[in-house]
Amino acid sequence: NAGVTQTPKFRILKIGQSMTLQCTQDMNHNYMYWYRQDPGMGLKLIYYSVGAGITDKGEVPNGYNVSRSTTEDFPLRLELAAPSQTSVYFCASRLSGQPQSYEQYFGPGTRLTVT
Amino acid sequence: DQQVKQNSPSLSVQEGRISILNCDYTNSMFDYFLWYKKYPAEGPTFLISISSIKDKNEDGRFTVFLNKSAKHLSLHIVPSQPGDSAVYFCAASDSGAGSYQLTFGKGTKLSVIP
Repeated sequence: NAGVTQTPKFRILKIGQSMTLQCTQDMNHNYMYWYRQDPGMGLKLIYYSVGAGITDKGEVPNGYNVSRSTTEDFPLRLELAAPSQTSVYFCASRLSGQPQSYEQYFGPGTRLTVT
Repeated sequence: DQQVKQNSPSLSVQEGRISILNCDYTNSMFDYFLWYKKYPAEGPTFLISISSIKDKNEDGRFTVFLNKSAKHLSLHIVPSQPGDSAVYFCAASDSGAGSYQLTFGKGTKLSVIP
């Protein structure tokens, strides 16, 4: 049971390039989330999904896109990378169907630098 | 507009003593609160949580206290150990929102000195 895995661990992008951050979970969790963490700041929600085929915006969605074709995978797409997207990106998942269980399980993160 | 505030960026405590980490929130719709611990180059890991119907929850060395009227919660670690040195994030959720999304504070870096 690997939990939540993210690839790549590190990436350097040039301004205007695009890339996809991969996230996979093997816990059969319905809910999945993408956060970004800037230096000295808390985690901010980019997008989330409550199940395959259903996604919605979080607090900071601009410049990103997501898709959820399977329960396991929740990729985050960056189009036209900008320096403001330099950050550490975390994917998380949560099991639905458990009342009063708000715990989210996080992946190890992807450190992205845009220059 | 920070809805969850951790006003102490850092805290140093001697090994064996109590560590107290504080968190304030402004959104009265928040009804579930969590503490996460984060080591460098790793993702956050869940530590302990509390529902708004309770005022205390205990798990081993960790206790979370909730004061709803003051919109304040605190995490107590007793006794503190060097392995507790990490960044601690307070997070809150509104059960009525349906997404179970978490709103995080900026974190407090705890250093436990041997």
